[in-house]
Amino acid sequence: GAVVSQHPSRVICKSGTSVKIECRSLDFQATTMFWYRQFPKQSLMLMATSNEGSKATYEQGVEKDKFLINHASLTLSTLTVTSAHPEDSSFYICSARDMRQGHWAYEQYFGPGTRLTVT
Amino acid sequence: AQSVTQLGSHVSVSEGALVLLRCNYSSSVPPYLFWYVQYPNQGLQLLLKYTSAATLVKGINGFEAEFKKSETSFHLTKPSAHMSDAAEYFCAVSGVTGTASKLTFGTGTRLQVTL
Repeated sequence: GAVVSQHPSRVICKSGTSVKIECRSLDFQATTMFWYRQFPKQSLMLMATSNEGSKATYEQGVEKDKFLINHASLTLSTLTVTSAHPEDSSFYICSARDMRQGHWAYEQYFGPGTRLTVT
Repeated sequence: AQSVTQLGSHVSVSEGALVLLRCNYSSSVPPYLFWYVQYPNQGLQLLLKYTSAATLVKGINGFEAEFKKSETSFHLTKPSAHMSDAAEYFCAVSGVTGTASKLTFGTGTRLQVTL
């Protein structure tokens, strides 16, 4: 249990367009999901915390209007990169917390990541 | 505030040799500590976690780590390296509650295993 998927795994888009990345918890409900960004050979940087039914909480320095996060259901959070530019090219990873009984509340389960390339 | 320092961005060991990846943390609240492994173009897989129970934590794939409060360390070890252990390893810290419960990652250590 506690599987997280992401779609797509890879996406290439043209500069100025928008792209949506989905993060799904497949076998559990996730009231909280997290979005991270990882540049090549670097660590994961938390972008925002996504809460079901409420607005996401963004980390300092992350543009809310550029990285739109929607957590409309207990199993799906989406990250939309608006008006993408080449500098947005990165590896985006989501994670989710499994709040079911028997699961440790502070553990995050990570998706496989989405490689975004903006040309 | 919390932070993690991983000493050594690259570590190379021979197959069968001891693996030691270093992690030191800083946290204003009692921490939870984690080690994750990442293979190329993949997400993170949890190796083990410290949750204030036993200070010596055993994880998957033969890895273990010891929480040493006096040294603020949580080093990852494996007695005998295998070629399949070659990957990127991240140490992370999380506080117990509220905003401190977010994960803060170290910069990672790339483990190379040679024949």
